[in-house]
Amino acid sequence: DAGITQSPRYKITETGRQVTLMCHQTWSHSYMFWYRQDLGHGLRLIYYSAAADITDKGEVPDGYVVSRSKTENFPLTLESATRSQTSVYFCASRGDTGELFFGEGSRLTVL
Amino acid sequence: AQSVSQHNHHVILSEAASLELGCNYSYGGTVNLFWYVQYPGQHLQLLLKYFSGDPLVKGIKGFEAEFIKSKFSFNLRKPSVQWSDTAEYFCAVNRAWRDDKIIFGKGTRLHILP
Repeated sequence: DAGITQSPRYKITETGRQVTLMCHQTWSHSYMFWYRQDLGHGLRLIYYSAAADITDKGEVPDGYVVSRSKTENFPLTLESATRSQTSVYFCASRGDTGELFFGEGSRLTVL
Repeated sequence: AQSVSQHNHHVILSEAASLELGCNYSYGGTVNLFWYVQYPGQHLQLLLKYFSGDPLVKGIKGFEAEFIKSKFSFNLRKPSVQWSDTAEYFCAVNRAWRDDKIIFGKGTRLHILP
């Protein structure tokens, strides 16, 4: 089915470990985004990408790395996870009308 | 950098009450504005958007919003809420023709009493 899929949906890891959250879209949208959702902070933009091999920082990029070698994939990597990165992470792509289409989210717990 | 302020963090209403959720943004140029809704346990979905034209926009499920440029506001309204409107509502903005970042407010949790 067309849409955005995120994996894993749930992840528990330990401080200092590397974690990669995957995001795949089937629409071939140019723009893709990573947000984190935390109580009291709403959604905060981590990174976004305008096309393959073009990425840019959002509001809270520290501690995260992204890549976009293919249009359909936009993985987010936490190189050395910290407890403050415990959050729900949403990937989104932007359609031609400007609407964002969100994935189901990845709930990450860092112990 | 643009920012979005949502004044009400938590709103509790009874069914059939009228709703207005405030949203203000900080950018002085041309903007695109959005309201998204997140039902419990689900991802965000678009309620409505404003790019240009009529400042009163209508969205899904009876929601509407009014863009008032002089007040940098884009408030969400619904004349009569239902229990199924219980959700979290997010206002979002991006600067038209400048960059492609879409910035969200902190959200408003709406709880409708049956």
